[in-house]
Amino acid sequence: NAGVTQTPKFQVLKTGQSMTLQCAQDMNHEYMSWYRQDPGMGLRLIHYSVGAGITDQGEVPNGYNVSRSTTEDFPLRLLSAAPSQTSVYFCASSYIIGRNGYTFGSGTRLTVV
Amino acid sequence: AQTVTQSQPEMSVQEAETVTLSCTYDTSESDYYLFWYKQPPSRQMILVIRQEAYKQQNATESRFSVNFQKAAKSFSLKISDSQLGDAAMYFCAYRSAETSGSRLTFGEGTQLTVNP
Repeated sequence: NAGVTQTPKFQVLKTGQSMTLQCAQDMNHEYMSWYRQDPGMGLRLIHYSVGAGITDQGEVPNGYNVSRSTTEDFPLRLLSAAPSQTSVYFCASSYIIGRNGYTFGSGTRLTVV
Repeated sequence: AQTVTQSQPEMSVQEAETVTLSCTYDTSESDYYLFWYKQPPSRQMILVIRQEAYKQQNATESRFSVNFQKAAKSFSLKISDSQLGDAAMYFCAYRSAETSGSRLTFGEGTQLTVNP
């Protein structure tokens, strides 16, 4: 049982480049989300989805795009990378009823130079 | 919107001693879930303990227990018999039970150091 698989683990981008962070879960979770983690700020929600074909913005959506074509996959696209997007990114999933919390991927450390 | 506050950016404890990490939250809801997550240097987010707001009994998981004070909107984590492996960043988190598909809101985190 793989849980939440997030790739890559590390990435360095140049300013203006685009890339996609991949996230896949095999637990049939309806809810999937992307967070970024910055020192002293906890984890902040970027985008989330409550099911295939349904996405919505979180607290810090600017510069990011998502889609959810299947229950399993929820990729995060950086459209034109900026140094302010240097962060650790986490994908997480859960059932739609939240009593069990999230299952997290292992994170991606992204550096934009 | 709900907010979660962890007022202790850093804490330290001697091995085998007990430490308590503080968390307060703000909500107008009556039904919700509270969580403590642990993030060791490996960066993996690990669920430590969970509390359901409608349950008055404090949750316990082995050496980890919570003090849930609903009226005060306080949710502290007590770690007993601290071990070196407990050293990590700890996050308190809130999730509504009144709305399906609700987000998890995190505090800023508390960095716990365990001294041998």
